[in-house]
Amino acid sequence: AQTVTQSQPEMSVQEAETVTLSCTYDTSESDYYLFWYKQPPSRQMILVIRQEAYKQQNATENRFSVNFQKAAKSFSLKISDSQLGDAAMYFCAYRSPPREYGNKLVFGAGTILRVKS
Amino acid sequence: DTEVTQTPKHLVMGMTNKKSLKCEQHMGHRAMYWYKQKAKKPPELMFVYSYEKLSINESVPSRFSPECPNSSLLNLHLHALQPEDSALYLCASSQILAGKKGETQYFGPGTRLLVL
Repeated sequence: AQTVTQSQPEMSVQEAETVTLSCTYDTSESDYYLFWYKQPPSRQMILVIRQEAYKQQNATENRFSVNFQKAAKSFSLKISDSQLGDAAMYFCAYRSPPREYGNKLVFGAGTILRVKS
Repeated sequence: DTEVTQTPKHLVMGMTNKKSLKCEQHMGHRAMYWYKQKAKKPPELMFVYSYEKLSINESVPSRFSPECPNSSLLNLHLHALQPEDSALYLCASSQILAGKKGETQYFGPGTRLLVL
């Protein structure tokens, strides 16, 4: 079974600085998808970024980028120029290759990110 | 448009009540999901519907009864719940078999349920 580990329960960053959230996963599959979701206090789960395992290039979305190391099974999220609105719980998630019955997301335990002004 | 809507936003119910949660999406997604989330914990998958048929049931107690009346709607019927069922209930939807583009799950804002 696939597992996702987020080893940092909480992180803090100063406004305008850069922070990296860690995520490792375990799988025997070669084709899969990885996601970072953000959940602010409103508790709406918001997709931050997505990475396809078959792509070597790291995904980027504006201030958010990932460092995907397939061999090491590592998928970290870097947030540049941190803003107060980035404060949230961040979940790393793994998804198996497409299945006819839909697909299951396996979530990590989450990392609470605090942004200091 | 990547919007999934859920109603109600908040629900308080007694252990003998019957209530329903509703989820709606108009993105043409053919997979829909119910998750349960406790505070400061990751979401836990409850049910998956694909092509309006129940495809995954994660051993959820029978007091939770899902229903998918059409490709845009997903309901969760609640009956005789326990206080420990109090949680945020999230709905999500995704495409199926979108090839290499994958099937990102898009979440609704959730229903906060309190069982007294």
